[in-house]
Amino acid sequence: NAGVMQNPRHLVRRRGQEARLRCSPMKGHSHVYWYRQLPEEGLKFMVYLQKENIIDESGMPKERFSAEFPKEGPSILRIQQVVRGDSAAYFCASSPSIAGLEKTQYFGPGTRLLVL
Amino acid sequence: GESVGLHLPTLSVQEGDNSIINCAYSNSASDYFIWYKQESGKGPQFIIDIRSNMDKRQGQRVTVLLNKTVKHLSLQIAATQPGDSAVYFCAENSGGYQKVTFGTGTKLQVIP
Repeated sequence: NAGVMQNPRHLVRRRGQEARLRCSPMKGHSHVYWYRQLPEEGLKFMVYLQKENIIDESGMPKERFSAEFPKEGPSILRIQQVVRGDSAAYFCASSPSIAGLEKTQYFGPGTRLLVL
Repeated sequence: GESVGLHLPTLSVQEGDNSIINCAYSNSASDYFIWYKQESGKGPQFIIDIRSNMDKRQGQRVTVLLNKTVKHLSLQIAATQPGDSAVYFCAENSGGYQKVTFGTGTKLQVIP
């Protein structure tokens, strides 16, 4: 059973460009979470999605950031008009359920975004 | 706001010794706690979890202790090995879904 997959692993963008980060959850998982991590810091929650629904986007900036988890295909975190402050590692996690211990999240390897 | 924090930013341990990583949490409504290990350049890896109705849970070489009275969580690693070198995060959840709040992290350095 493949784990959570993210691509690209590294992404370089110039200021003003768009960044698209993809996440394929583990097989059988219908819940996806995105986190952001700055160097030497913990992970900050951004958004929680289920198929075709955004459940909680309280950690995501109101402007330039958006996320989706379509019925078919990976979840996408999109950052428009990137700025240097967007440089960070972005991690995706998935879980099979929200009940009991099955709500444990499993993380992907992350996408390291560098904005020049 | 509610937060989860760690007492020690860096912990150096001799190979073969036991390691204890501590974590304080402030949300008394938290009912589920997780320890993650993050190696350099990788995503967090689930180690062990514990629910608030337990005070101890054991895994392979790891034990998590929960003291709800003082809102303290610890991770014990037995016979620490070089491969245990990583940053360890405690995380807590108090919601109906897994919106996890991470602490700052403790860097564990194992001295050969």
